[in-house]
Amino acid sequence: QQPVQSPQAVILREGEDAVINCSSSKALYSVHWYRQKHGEAPVFLMILLKGGEQKGHEKISASFNEKKQQSSLYLTASQLSYSGTYFCGTEMWNSGAGSYQLTFGKGTKLSVIP
Amino acid sequence: DAGVTQSPTHLIKTRGQQVTLRCSPKSGHDTVSWYQQALGQGPQFIFQYYEEEERQRGNFPDRFSGHQFPNYSSELNVNALLLGDSALYLCASSFFSGANNQPQHFGDGTRLSIL
Repeated sequence: QQPVQSPQAVILREGEDAVINCSSSKALYSVHWYRQKHGEAPVFLMILLKGGEQKGHEKISASFNEKKQQSSLYLTASQLSYSGTYFCGTEMWNSGAGSYQLTFGKGTKLSVIP
Repeated sequence: DAGVTQSPTHLIKTRGQQVTLRCSPKSGHDTVSWYQQALGQGPQFIFQYYEEEERQRGNFPDRFSGHQFPNYSSELNVNALLLGDSALYLCASSFFSGANNQPQHFGDGTRLSIL
């Protein structure tokens, strides 16, 4: 089941902050965040695991509310280089497949302007 | 340190044909996952290979098949191509973890167009 991301798009001026949200209707094992610039490959930002462990870049901040099956990515003091589409991926147990599976949302397009 | 490399970068096929896409993982990685990304959408998981076996599979028909070689490189094969198969196909590599809790490194993708 595909996670829902909000907002779909956001425009920021340099230095402003933004929050991107990701929610699921099913219990999650982990949440993954990636950024993709136009015409480029997605780049890993962060993984948030059930139980509180996080793996990712020091300058990236995110939260994972296991009870609400929600995650938020916090972008502070935005720079022009932050522009791109941000995808969250939610990992859930797929009983039919007998394995965990990662499903990405439709993305949030972030544009940072001077 | 070479990252994930995919070939070819672009491909044009006609309906009904078959296609093979190739991926070499980042050095040191042993797991390869394939994704389909339609324009304006997030990547959709096709399948994952580890130790030359398909470990996980998304909701894709059997026309989509794959293979992993002893050197960890991988191929994605699509038979009986449909117009709807037009998309960017992304390969991602990582260290094996049965629970997908490792960062994935993506290649630049193969842009497949079906006429």
